[in-house]
Amino acid sequence: AQSVAQPEDQVNVAEGNPLTVKCTYSVSGNPYLFWYVQYPNRGLQFLLKYITGDNLVKGSYGFEAEFNKSQTSFHLKKPSALVSDSALYFCAVRDRRGGFKTIFGAGTRLFVKA
Amino acid sequence: DTAVSQTPKYLVTQMGNDKSIKCEQNLGHDTMYWYKQDSKKFLKIMFSYNNKELIINETVPNRFSPKSPDKAHLNLHINSLELGDSAVYFCASTEGVLSYEQYFGPGTRLTVT
Repeated sequence: AQSVAQPEDQVNVAEGNPLTVKCTYSVSGNPYLFWYVQYPNRGLQFLLKYITGDNLVKGSYGFEAEFNKSQTSFHLKKPSALVSDSALYFCAVRDRRGGFKTIFGAGTRLFVKA
Repeated sequence: DTAVSQTPKYLVTQMGNDKSIKCEQNLGHDTMYWYKQDSKKFLKIMFSYNNKELIINETVPNRFSPKSPDKAHLNLHINSLELGDSAVYFCASTEGVLSYEQYFGPGTRLTVT
């Protein structure tokens, strides 16, 4: 069975500082991994994905994520946080072996203080 | 142009009523989904259709019935609404069943009183 864990309900960071939002996953085979962002009263927006290749993937709005197979993690990072990055972030996983379902984590609220 | 649209945006109704939520995508995608986001923001898949064929049917009460009249539309009908059905319902689409990026609609906030 697939599962995703986001261990932090909320992450607080000062504007200009680096941010990390953590995600660990569990799948039977190799995963496809995703990050989505949700702003208040909006639907989720795709940020980035890991499919294969380089473990460091770059996405929208200056975000990047690093796939670590040994630690089964896919943490989201940004070198310098903006107040406008404040939102709810979801990590998601899909089993590479032809599964149709994408499983989402519980979400982490990022709060960037000016 | 809105890629994935949902109507209505807000829906307030009483227990026991029957209601429908509509979703349309103009992206030419083959696959559409319904998700339920509860008050704690947990997002759970309910159904998925690929080219009008049901491919994912999670463990949801049979009061919920999806319908896909064509691949651009996926509607959700809910019978005998209960308080626990209160949530935000999101429609999403992907190019195909194995496509990676999901495009989400703005959500329908359902409140059952």
